[in-house]
Amino acid sequence: EVQLVQSGAEVKKPGESLKISCAASGHSVSAYWIAWVRQMPGKGLEWMGIIYPGDSTTTYSPSFQGQVTISADKSITTAYLQWSGLKSSDSAMYYCAVTAGSAWVTWGQGTLVTVSS
Amino acid sequence: EIVMTQSPDTLSVSPGERATLSCRASQSVSSNLAWYQQRPGQAPRLLIYGASTRATGIPARFSGSGSGTEFTLTISSLQSEDFAVYYCQEYHNWPPITFGQGTRLEIK
Repeated sequence: EVQLVQSGAEVKKPGESLKISCAASGHSVSAYWIAWVRQMPGKGLEWMGIIYPGDSTTTYSPSFQGQVTISADKSITTAYLQWSGLKSSDSAMYYCAVTAGSAWVTWGQGTLVTVSS
Repeated sequence: EIVMTQSPDTLSVSPGERATLSCRASQSVSSNLAWYQQRPGQAPRLLIYGASTRATGIPARFSGSGSGTEFTLTISSLQSEDFAVYYCQEYHNWPPITFGQGTRLEIK
């Protein structure tokens, strides 16, 4: 079974940059894709993008294309979600999740990002 | 892009009773449909995949049915820990990947 551990909560100012992480471990972890999901306060789940750490193949949701960067380090099976200029509207909980091509079997614990002046 | 619509938005049911949640896809997703439970303050948890297969460790009171565009999640006898928000998700020809807006299951 795959386990996911996300980096801790962040408090940032508008315009600052940020990179959060999602470390995967467990059986056959190299065969999984890692997805990022945003959940704004009191709202539903929004798929942001997905990456295959094996070769860094990445696809973004049109809603998030150009707004964030998803990357991965194959050697440590870790995925990253990065912003170059945060906005207050980026304040949300961010989850990562893994899939082998179907349902998302395991989710990280979430990283709370707060952007406030 | 496939649009997933869940109904109702909120469902009020008494403990011990049955709850039926619905999810409709804007076009056929075959059986490529999952259900997730999200309790307050927690990450989502996979309940059902392939429209009707329970994930590891999920109690038998949870069942899924449907194919094509109409899907149902049934919880046969509600326990206190089942009051949560439930999301359906299609993964038919991903990406993209879309979720329903969620159904909040609350205690009546």
